[in-house]
Amino acid sequence: KAGVTQTPRYLIKTRGQQVTLSCSPISGHRSVSWYQQTPGQGLQFLFEYFSETQRNKGNFPGRFSGRQFSNSRSEMNVSTLELGDSALYLCASSPRLAESETQYFGPGTRLLVL
Amino acid sequence: KNQVEQSPQSLIILEGKNCTLQCNYTVSPFSNLRWYKQDTGRGPVSLTIMTFSENTKSNGRYTATLDADTKQSSLHITASQLSDSASYICVVSAKNTDKLIFGTGTRLQVFP
Repeated sequence: KAGVTQTPRYLIKTRGQQVTLSCSPISGHRSVSWYQQTPGQGLQFLFEYFSETQRNKGNFPGRFSGRQFSNSRSEMNVSTLELGDSALYLCASSPRLAESETQYFGPGTRLLVL
Repeated sequence: KNQVEQSPQSLIILEGKNCTLQCNYTVSPFSNLRWYKQDTGRGPVSLTIMTFSENTKSNGRYTATLDADTKQSSLHITASQLSDSASYICVVSAKNTDKLIFGTGTRLQVFP
C-alpha cells in the first residue's frame, strides 16, 4: 500500500501570496489531519477532516483553511502569507478519527516565505 | 489544561548504550498515548500506541511503558544505533474530544 503523499515537497513564496498544499492519504483512510511544525514550536495541530467534514480545528487564524474531497484527498490553503508561516507542513491519515487511531504521516511540504 | 511534557529536551548517548525518554501528561479523560519517531526533515513514524489497560508495549528495541495512575510514560531504547538519532514525540489522545495533544519532543543524538 502506498503511503501518504504530499505535494509539493518544497515551496518558496513571498509575503502576501497564497499557497495550496495537497495531501493524498493511504487508500481506505478517511481522516486527514494537518500540522505545522517549526523548530521552536514542535507540531501544532491545524485541522482534521473526516468524510469531507472538518471535525476539529486548532488555534490558527482564518488565513489557514482546508478541505477534503470525496476520495479523501485533502488540500490546505494559506492566504496572505507571512514570514512566520515558514514551516514544515505535515499531513497525516488514519482509517477513522485520529483520536482513536494510529496516524500515518506524509513526508511534509517545506514552505519558505520570503 | 491538557498538556504533555517531555524530558529531557535533548540527549546525547554513545552507540550501544540504553536510554529512557520521559513523558508526563495532564490529559483527561485519557484515551491513548502514542510515541512517534521523527527523523530530521521527514514525517513522524508511529512506534507504539497504548490504551489505558496496557502498561507496556514493545516494538523491536523500543519499549514503551504507561502508568495511567501517575500519568507518566517512558520510552526505553535498548542497544542504541546511529539510526536512532531523531526526535521522539509523545502524543496523548483525549477521549471524546477528537483532540491529540503533542509534546514538544526529545531530540536524541547517538554518537559512534
